[in-house]
Amino acid sequence: GAGVSQSPSNKVTEKGKDVELRCDPISGHTALYWYRQSLGQGLEFLIYFQGNSAPDKSGLPSDRFSAERTGGSVSTLTIQRTQQEDSAVYLCASSLASGTIYEQYFGPGTRLTVT
Amino acid sequence: DAKTTQPPSMDCAEGRAANLPCNHSTISGNEYVYWYRQIHSQGPQYIIHGLKNNETNEMASLIITEDRKSSTLILPHATLRDTAVYYCIARLKGQNFVFGPGTRLSVLP
Repeated sequence: GAGVSQSPSNKVTEKGKDVELRCDPISGHTALYWYRQSLGQGLEFLIYFQGNSAPDKSGLPSDRFSAERTGGSVSTLTIQRTQQEDSAVYLCASSLASGTIYEQYFGPGTRLTVT
Repeated sequence: DAKTTQPPSMDCAEGRAANLPCNHSTISGNEYVYWYRQIHSQGPQYIIHGLKNNETNEMASLIITEDRKSSTLILPHATLRDTAVYYCIARLKGQNFVFGPGTRLSVLP
């Protein structure tokens, strides 16, 4: 079946602009995660959604970052007033549920470059 | 999450077994050990996970010591396509995954 998809695959934006990154999880997966990965670094957790529960936003680095998940499916990560340090690959993952041992399935990521 | 430590890099000859160690000395009784890998320019890929018993699937084997303070991921016959960064994660049910720097495995021809 279809895996996790993300769009766009690449995004170049000017400093100060807002960007939206999209994630389509695997159908039926109730948990959705956002991570970012700077060049040569490990993955940094940003936020996760589980069903209709309030999202865990503990990993968001600043209030310029926000995310929504509409209808329990598609999610959008928004970065306002982008800065050069926001340049990274943004990865989305989904799993059957977060409250279990189920593994996460990752999308290909969106490479964001802030100039 | 229990902190895990892994060697930053390892080499393995093609066709030989790759044994990737992971220390998780502070792991709690309910934390599972997960392994993921990330091939260059791709998202992480799930490999295997376990709690107490050794596990095997089509990709790899996971050997967990009796005291659960360490584990080893075994790729029985490494190929060039297994070159990747391998992440060992200890995680409670419901917790977020915390990815450290991992081990960069280079499979050499």
